[in-house]
Formats: sequence, structure tokens, C-alpha cells
Amino acid sequence: ETGVTQSPTHLIKTRGQQVTLRCSSQSGHNTVSWYQQALGQGPQFIFQYYREEENGRGNFPPRFSGLQFPNYSSELNVNALELDDSALYLCASSASGLAGPRDTQYFGPGTRLTVL
Amino acid sequence: AQSVSQHNHHVILSEAASLELGCNYSYGGTVNLFWYVQYPGQHLQLLLKYFSGDPLVKGIKGFEAEFIKSKFSFNLRKPSVQWSDTAEYFCAVNPTGTASKLTFGTGTRLQVTL
Repeated sequence: ETGVTQSPTHLIKTRGQQVTLRCSSQSGHNTVSWYQQALGQGPQFIFQYYREEENGRGNFPPRFSGLQFPNYSSELNVNALELDDSALYLCASSASGLAGPRDTQYFGPGTRLTVL
Repeated sequence: AQSVSQHNHHVILSEAASLELGCNYSYGGTVNLFWYVQYPGQHLQLLLKYFSGDPLVKGIKGFEAEFIKSKFSFNLRKPSVQWSDTAEYFCAVNPTGTASKLTFGTGTRLQVTL
């Protein structure tokens, strides 16, 4: 157990819909990163939030957006869902948005999103 | 941009056999290196990490990894695997000086038979 929690566990949506996924970071952690893990692949970095500001983004379109709240929990929003968005979405928290050993990420259990 | 290669996609070993999983990365500068494990039905867990210093890193559950800078490699080893080591193993890197935007390999599925 890492102390990182995610909700919901599973979600089924249809193409074109919008979805919001939630993450609570481990106590003492102020940085949250989101990853997409397609079946049979490694996780791919979507974006990171540090102290409520976006702190880097991977190669994902603008319809993937996020928020971080003052308590450091976070949301991932995906608009206009496509079939290829079906994946496990992972949230990871770390103690610092700055580089260094404290920046080690601890992952939550993920949200399995299925787009029909 | 950096990339990570894990050439072994599926490895099957008998209990007590020795394990070595390959990980090579591509990046021109210095990196931080990680191995994560994903047991069936569980979340990604950190096995070990390398930031600097001794290139031989020891992690949890008897795993270790060696960073060989000249070969851009960070192979994972365990002298004697157990059935409970059955899992998917991911190597990940991020450039030193950047904040945890990990690049993962595609993973190696390890199956340990009794």
C-alpha cells in the first residue's frame, strides 16, 4: 500500500462522452503525475501537477486536462472520448516537484476506463 | 526525448533459477533509473532506484540492479526467484534535473513455475 488512492476503480463510457478521474496523494506529497497504461504497454506520462500548477506534459492532446486542489488531490478530465482512450489510468504522487531522490513516485491502483 | 527498451517480453523460469532482466535507455545526459513491479491485480510498486553513487543498487525482496553507464543499461537481477515473483517488471528513467516525468519500457512478464 502506498497511500495513493484513486476513484472510481472501473468506468465504462461511450465514445464522445467526458470522464473525470480522481486521485488522492500520499500524505506529505505535493506532486501528482498521471499516466496512461494501454493493454500490454508501459505507462505513458500524461502530465504532472506541482502545487496546483501544471509542471510538464507528455504527448497527449488538449482534451486531456487536469486539476490539482489545495489539499494536493487531483483530477484528470478527458473530453470527447475515443476508443483508443480505453486504458488503465494511473496516478502517482511524490514529495517534491523538484528533481532528486524525494521525487520518487508512488503509484495508486489505477482506474480502468473502457470506451465503447 | 529519452526512450527505454526492455528486450525480454516474456520470461519463464523455474523456482530457484537466477534472473536477469535487461533494460537499456537512450538519452544523451544523466538519468535517474527505476525498476517497478506490478503483481497480478496489484498496483505498481517501486523495487529499487538509482540516483547517484554506487552503481550496484539493492532493492526490496532480494532484487538488485547494476547501472552501467557505458552501456546505457540498468539490468535487474535476483539470484534465486520464487513463485511469488511472478509479475510484470517495468524499467523507467527520467533525466536528472527534471521532476519525475518517467519514461517506461514496455515491461517484461515474468512467470515462475514450481
